[in-house]
Amino acid sequence: KNQVEQSPQSLIILEGKNCTLQCNYTVSPFSNLRWYKQDTGRGPVSLTIMTFSENTKSNGRYTATLDADTKQSSLHITASQLSDSASYICVVSSSGGSYIPTFGRGTSLIVHP
Amino acid sequence: DTGVSQNPRHKITKRGQNVTFRCDPISEHNRLYWYRQTLGQGPEFLTYFQNEAQLEKSRLLSDRFSAERPKGSFSTLEIQRTEQGDSAMYLCASSLGQGARYEQYFGPGTRLTVT
Repeated sequence: KNQVEQSPQSLIILEGKNCTLQCNYTVSPFSNLRWYKQDTGRGPVSLTIMTFSENTKSNGRYTATLDADTKQSSLHITASQLSDSASYICVVSSSGGSYIPTFGRGTSLIVHP
Repeated sequence: DTGVSQNPRHKITKRGQNVTFRCDPISEHNRLYWYRQTLGQGPEFLTYFQNEAQLEKSRLLSDRFSAERPKGSFSTLEIQRTEQGDSAMYLCASSLGQGARYEQYFGPGTRLTVT
């Protein structure tokens, strides 16, 4: 069964600090992994996408890494801002079947001033 | 705004009533997805359309749920005889193609509260 596990479930940090969110998956065959940011009461918005051959992808202060061998990904946020407070969802797509992606439960990040 | 739109944004209904939600995808996108999201959880897949054809339905989609996408444009999701357990955010997403590399663009969601 395809699964995506994220940790921690929630995280509180001070503005300006860095943080790293984790994602482990068992989706097979693997096609790509995306990180989404979801503000409260809004739909998810894509931050990064990585395929099998990509190890790192950056989008501003967001840097995602992928280890396809261990089936792990991380999202690193640098110099956090209050606007980073949101849920971050890891989504893994398979190259087989109907391409319906598997969503993680998300990590809820709160950035305090 | 050329993104995915959903209406209404919020719906409060009494148990037993029927509700219908609408999703307007990005105009050239041929794939449309419906998801349900409860508090503290990631989105759960409900169903998807390729143009006007409904190609897959999740086991989460009970007989009380029905979705349509006439003419392959907008889509509606209807819930009959609503139950309190139906309270959730209903998200719609669309994508340009059917490969895994095609990003899904999400709408703002419809928040359903069943009292």
